[in-house]
Amino acid sequence: GAVVSQHPSRVICKSGTSVKIECRSLDFQATTMFWYRQFPKQSLMLMATSNEGSKATYEQGVEKDKFLINHASLTLSTLTVTSAHPEDSSFYICSVNGDTGELFFGEGSRLTVL
Amino acid sequence: GENVEQHPSTLSVQEGDSAVIKCTYSDSASNYFPWYKQELGKRPQLIIDVRSNVGEKKDQRIAVTLNKTAKHFSLHITETQPEDSAVYFCAARTGAQKLVFGQGTRLTINP
Repeated sequence: GAVVSQHPSRVICKSGTSVKIECRSLDFQATTMFWYRQFPKQSLMLMATSNEGSKATYEQGVEKDKFLINHASLTLSTLTVTSAHPEDSSFYICSVNGDTGELFFGEGSRLTVL
Repeated sequence: GENVEQHPSTLSVQEGDSAVIKCTYSDSASNYFPWYKQELGKRPQLIIDVRSNVGEKKDQRIAVTLNKTAKHFSLHITETQPEDSAVYFCAARTGAQKLVFGQGTRLTINP
């Protein structure tokens, strides 16, 4: 399997500031990572597919200039929420496809924008 | 793109009884169907999965059935226990390797 670590687990920020979330694949080289967002009592919605060494692929309705994704190495992808607003408050989870096809999730990052 | 529908949204069963959650998907090319259990504030945990070349899979009290013709798959939990209480998500993966989730089912086991 793959061990995926996410940091920070919780972050509180003021409206208008930017927040960076890191996702690390600790024991697996991941050319692709997936970023999901989960609002309270809702399902996981795919935001974007992070591709190592190239641009991320964003799902319809997700603003690429607001949610900046960088996947500079095979073990690290970052999601930066720029100019965060209260409606961006959510649970952000990254994931990695293991070599058997199973999806492994990070611990998740709970963002609260005041 | 793929669309996954999950029912029911909430399910309450007596301890020891069985629970069944059903999902349908739209993309006939989808080939991998996992089920996840998520406890409050935590990441989803894979509990069982099935691939398109298999119709049924069982792991102790948990089983999944897949009907490719009808494009639906179901999760069966037998002899339910209080610790089975959680939110359960089905999902389907397309050829693009993206996993699309159902809306979730909040399962409550009553002692």
